[in-house]
Amino acid sequence: AQSVAQPEDQVNVAEGNPLTVKCTYSVSGNPYLFWYVQYPNRGLQFLLKYITGDNLVKGSYGFEAEFNKSQTSFHLKKPSALVSDSALYFCAVRDSGDNFNKFYFGSGTKLNVKP
Amino acid sequence: SAVISQKPSRDICQRGTSLTIQCQVDSQVTMMFWYRQQPGQSLTLIATANQGSEATYESGFVIDKFPISRPNLTFSTLTVSNMSPEDSSIYLCSLGGVTSTDTQYFGPGTRLTVL
Repeated sequence: AQSVAQPEDQVNVAEGNPLTVKCTYSVSGNPYLFWYVQYPNRGLQFLLKYITGDNLVKGSYGFEAEFNKSQTSFHLKKPSALVSDSALYFCAVRDSGDNFNKFYFGSGTKLNVKP
Repeated sequence: SAVISQKPSRDICQRGTSLTIQCQVDSQVTMMFWYRQQPGQSLTLIATANQGSEATYESGFVIDKFPISRPNLTFSTLTVSNMSPEDSSIYLCSLGGVTSTDTQYFGPGTRLTVL
């Protein structure tokens, strides 16, 4: 079965510093991995996805993620954090085969960016 | 990407009552999904709603508690029946993709508080 794990409940970073939000995955078949962000009182917004190809995926709002097959990781990164990046971040993996529309979400990581 | 709206955006309800949440999309989609996000938790899939057929429920969710309608390709409703405080959550609808590389997009969510 597919699953993702986000080992950190919370990440604190100072504005202007680089940030990393961690995600590891366990899949059967090809890993189709996603990052979503949830701002307070808002729904989930899509940031980026890895399907195949280049291991470094660029997404919205200056975020990028690095797919590492040997470490089964898909960490979210940003070179310079903004206070407005403070939000809840979810890693997700989709199911394989005919169930590809079923997503499995991580537990979420709260990112706090301090001025 | 499609524009997804949900009504109501939030509600406070009394124990034992029912609430129907609407999800409207600005384009036709085959598969729609309903998720629940309990306070401080990740997203859990409730059911898949296909137009013209019965919804398919995930383990732990039943039709009597969460009846779903899907009258056409742009609209779905989720009813939370006989509510208890444990039903206090954010409920989100999402759109399925046509292929396994498609992104799944989410509505803004309905924040439900049951007293």
